[in-house]
Amino acid sequence: QKEVEQDPGPLSVPEGAIVSLNCTYSNSAFQYFMWYRQYSRKGPELLMYTYSSGNKEDGRFTAQVDKSSKYISLFIRDSQPSDSATYLCAMTPGSKKTSGSRLTFGEGTQLTVNP
Amino acid sequence: DAGVIQSPRHEVTEMGQEVTLRCKPISGHDYLFWYRQTMMRGLELLIYFNNNVPIDDSGMPEDRFSAKMPNASFSTLKIQPSEPRDSAVYFCASSLYGLRRGRHNEQFFGPGTRLTVL
Repeated sequence: QKEVEQDPGPLSVPEGAIVSLNCTYSNSAFQYFMWYRQYSRKGPELLMYTYSSGNKEDGRFTAQVDKSSKYISLFIRDSQPSDSATYLCAMTPGSKKTSGSRLTFGEGTQLTVNP
Repeated sequence: DAGVIQSPRHEVTEMGQEVTLRCKPISGHDYLFWYRQTMMRGLELLIYFNNNVPIDDSGMPEDRFSAKMPNASFSTLKIQPSEPRDSAVYFCASSLYGLRRGRHNEQFFGPGTRLTVL
């Protein structure tokens, strides 16, 4: 079983829809949770970052972490065609200098927002 | 800063040939990571360095793969001999340990090298 599970999709939605992307994980040591966005033929770039449980909002994007369920989500409101990309969740155990710098990624969910 | 620089951007080679991928991390970053991305397996960590020292190479698939970081501004990933199953996009990423702008150990990725082994 993989440490991080993510539905690869693809997911196709109309412009303006609310998008929900999710990951589950098995390692209870994970404390830092991230969402990376990867446009076609580009490297991933950090989109959202959350420490421990709770919600974090940034514009149209909201990240949620439920450590009790080992479940994280990314919501995109009023989705735009420019949001079309692959979204990868990533997580890491903590602040220790070596282990805290290594990320474990989900497989990525391919999202298409249709105009 | 120019970001993480990788070369070449594309490489097509024949089975059995040696392939060398190059990476220049962001200046001042103390971690460097090599990843491989395929449709089947997603993004896989191959090896990472801290202050030029390899910390964890457990993701390196086999002895045909080797990585070096002779100094803080340069790293190579070598495949010898290459095989068709090595075809993938190889990413290099770098990070700076600690909390910066509310983001802990954010990794910055290069544009990747798309490798095709025929």
